[in-house]
Amino acid sequence: QITLKESGPTLVKPTQTLTLTCTFSGFSLSTTGVVVGWIRQSPGKALEWLALIYWTDGKRYSPSLKSRLTITTDTSKDQVVLTMTNMDPVDTATYYCAHYDYGPGTPPGGDAFDIWGQGTMVTVSS
Amino acid sequence: QSVLTQPPSVSGAPGQRVTISCTGSSSNIGTNYDVHWYQQLPGTAPKLLVYGNNNRPSGVPDRFSGSKSGTSASLAITGLQAEDEADYYCQSYDISLSDVVFGGGTKLTVL
Repeated sequence: QITLKESGPTLVKPTQTLTLTCTFSGFSLSTTGVVVGWIRQSPGKALEWLALIYWTDGKRYSPSLKSRLTITTDTSKDQVVLTMTNMDPVDTATYYCAHYDYGPGTPPGGDAFDIWGQGTMVTVSS
Repeated sequence: QSVLTQPPSVSGAPGQRVTISCTGSSSNIGTNYDVHWYQQLPGTAPKLLVYGNNNRPSGVPDRFSGSKSGTSASLAITGLQAEDEADYYCQSYDISLSDVVFGGGTKLTVL
């Protein structure tokens, strides 16, 4: 059974760096075909994709946020870490990590997020 | 503004059929990229409902079905039930933006 759970600060100040951890079980990022992603949702708003990390350690980022995002993995701990620099109140959102149902025959970026964590709410305020 | 356009709300009575549209362009839905659909119940994380345009994950009732044609996609829900009341989102990929894109979401109200 695949599960994911996000953790991190609930409150950060403007200009600070946010670090979120996704701890997962039921799969390993060392296994071929495994991909994990981050998505966020501002209050009352739509979903917004942030980043993907592949079993190869390959990474993809949202073009609009690429300069501020870094996604890494700690395979020994089965965790994926997302950092976002220069936080602003508009970054207030629930941040989700999710298992990405990678298919080798699908164009890059074209697969679905099949299992989601419960999300963690982050507020940016001074 | 979302790249994929969904109606803000739809409604239907129990037992009825409703459809939710997702309108894109030649750089996203109009390409060979698939459309996926998610259901988000109040206060919970999104759940994958339909993947690859018209496939259901194990456990999703066959009351939910997806389709794609041209630059649009649709989610149909038949035999509407009270527990279907939720927000629904479509997702695809935009080759011009090089970005995974979501629709703005549709709130389904069961009357």
